[in-house]
Amino acid sequence: NAGVTQTPKFQVLKTGQSMTLQCAQDMNHEYMSWYRQDPGMGLRLIHYSVGAGITDQGEVPNGYNVSRSTTEDFPLRLLSAAPSQTSVYFCASSLSDRNNQPQHFGDGTRLSIL
Amino acid sequence: QKEVEQDPGPLSVPEGAIVSLNCTYSNSAFQYFMWYRQYSRKGPELLMYTYSSGNKEDGRFTAQVDKSSKYISLFIRDSQPSDSATYLCAMSEEDTGRRALTFGSGTRLQVQP
Repeated sequence: NAGVTQTPKFQVLKTGQSMTLQCAQDMNHEYMSWYRQDPGMGLRLIHYSVGAGITDQGEVPNGYNVSRSTTEDFPLRLLSAAPSQTSVYFCASSLSDRNNQPQHFGDGTRLSIL
Repeated sequence: QKEVEQDPGPLSVPEGAIVSLNCTYSNSAFQYFMWYRQYSRKGPELLMYTYSSGNKEDGRFTAQVDKSSKYISLFIRDSQPSDSATYLCAMSEEDTGRRALTFGSGTRLQVQP
């Protein structure tokens, strides 16, 4: 069972570069989301999706785009990387967005912007 | 002031000790309370989930919610070195679901063998 798979695990970018963080799940989960985790800040929601073709903004969406063309995949795009986007990014999925449904997290992508 | 406060630790205890991890919050509308465990270089995993006030027990873990004091706790009995991790609390208001989940910044726990 793969669960939630994130690629790459590590990435270093220069300011202004763009890139896509990949996230795939094999559990047929409808709800998927992206968080960033910064020291002393806790996890903050960037974007989420309640199903294929449906996405919406979370708490900190600026500088990021998402799309959900299939149930399995939910890529996160950095349009023009900035040092403030240096963080650890986690993708998560669950059956629904209800709190009593366990969220399954990937192991994260560690991103440094120089 | 943050909406959810959590002591970052590290909290170091000997194996077998009872551990108490805590979060305070300011939003009285929070109704759903969760504890996640996060091992180093891994994603968080849901440990406990409670709705409104009261206690919930699962094996060596007990989650406690005191809404009058805006204070939640996670107790770990007979702590093991494998419990060494960062523990995150999370909470949300009624009916807003996961989209409005507010996380604490985490407490790092070290259980010494």
